[in-house]
Amino acid sequence: GAVVSQHPSRVICKSGTSVKIECRSLDFQATTMFWYRQFPKQSLMLMATSNEGSKATYEQGVEKDKFLINHASLTLSTLTVTSAHPEDSSFYICSPQDYSNYGYTFGSGTRLTVV
Amino acid sequence: KQEVTQIPAALSVPEGENLVLNCSFTDSAIYNLQWFRQDPGKGLTSLLLIQSSQREQTSGRLNASLDKSSGRSTLYIAASQPGDSATYLCAVRDTGANSKLTFGKGITLSVRP
Repeated sequence: GAVVSQHPSRVICKSGTSVKIECRSLDFQATTMFWYRQFPKQSLMLMATSNEGSKATYEQGVEKDKFLINHASLTLSTLTVTSAHPEDSSFYICSPQDYSNYGYTFGSGTRLTVV
Repeated sequence: KQEVTQIPAALSVPEGENLVLNCSFTDSAIYNLQWFRQDPGKGLTSLLLIQSSQREQTSGRLNASLDKSSGRSTLYIAASQPGDSATYLCAVRDTGANSKLTFGKGITLSVRP
């Protein structure tokens, strides 16, 4: 159980364009979705928390207008990086909340490179 | 604010060695603690989850312990193999609804054949 699908796994985009990352929970319903960012040799940093049907809550220092999160259903959440810049290049990982074991499952991550 | 520390940042051992990875956290009011494995460029794989009321969990060659009062956890890997080479992350979940995970920076383990 607790299978998570995250796409794309890798994307290269030009500066100024937008990129959408999808995260699906395949065999469970995720009321809550966490989005993390990881820079090289750094830990995962929580960007935002979203609850299905509600607006996301962003961590301090994360621009909500730049990182748009949609959590319209219990099995799908998307993160859109708008007007991407090279400093947005990072590894983005989703984590749907699975209440069955109170642990956390994670997507396989998306490596974003902005050139 | 919860802080999680993992030292050292990197570790290299010969195959077959038993080893211990350490994790410390500053706020003992945690809900649970989880150890993850991350391969280069990949997502996280959950290894062991210890609830705050538990002292240890075991899975195969892995054993994780938790001492909440002192803010420490250890991950013990028995008879290490080259396939164990990866980054091991420790994360604590604070108490409260929708509480988030706080991660350490991880320990990059290299097991030499």
